Amino acid sequence: EIVLTQSPGTLSLSPGERATLSCRASQSVGGNYLAWFQQKPGQAPRLLIYAASSRDGGIPDRFSGSGSGTDFTLTISRLESEDFAVYYCQQYGSTPGTFGQGTRVEIK
Amino acid sequence: QTQLQESGPGLVKPSETLSLTCGVSGYFINSGHFWGWIRQSPAKGLEWMGSISHSGNTYYNPSLKSRVTMSLDTSRNQFSLNLSSVTVADTAVYYCARGISTPSAAGLWGRGTLVTVSS
Repeated sequence: EIVLTQSPGTLSLSPGERATLSCRASQSVGGNYLAWFQQKPGQAPRLLIYAASSRDGGIPDRFSGSGSGTDFTLTISRLESEDFAVYYCQQYGSTPGTFGQGTRVEIK
Repeated sequence: QTQLQESGPGLVKPSETLSLTCGVSGYFINSGHFWGWIRQSPAKGLEWMGSISHSGNTYYNPSLKSRVTMSLDTSRNQFSLNLSSVTVADTAVYYCARGISTPSAAGLWGRGTLVTVSS
């Protein structure tokens, strides 16, 4: 199975700053089928980005995804208060689907 | 607007079978897509358990394959998860989800339900 490693584990930033989250796969992700999710306490993960760079419906354009093969990035251009949460990447190009361990974005 | 909602017992005894159902509204599950289960625990993080296609093909995580069964009930527009021989390690929040492009995809999630394995 494909192992996804996210870095950093925790990102401490202030509102208005730029956040850059990394997701590295142990082997190439088929079809670049890489998704990013946001999870807040007590809630289910919410899809932000699919197919590495496509925003899901209703997701603000400050969220963007990039990358291919084994290296992927989620960028939040200017952090707003509601963006402080845990972010997960998931590859769904092969079974079993696998998730990264998450990056927590916290208020500095 | 499609919505998913998990239901089932919140407490299961060790060695018994965990059974959950996911009710779907706003979309007929036999029309398309993949219908899956994902669980989350502090120890294992997010774990994709498997999915079933709208036509009934199943895809299971090899780590669970011998214990997991998924099925569709199109008359009630719901799908189900059975996990046999549970242990305390199966304590987790269980989510049902819909995937569009591949069996492992999970674009739309239910709210989740906590299942505790304890005697």
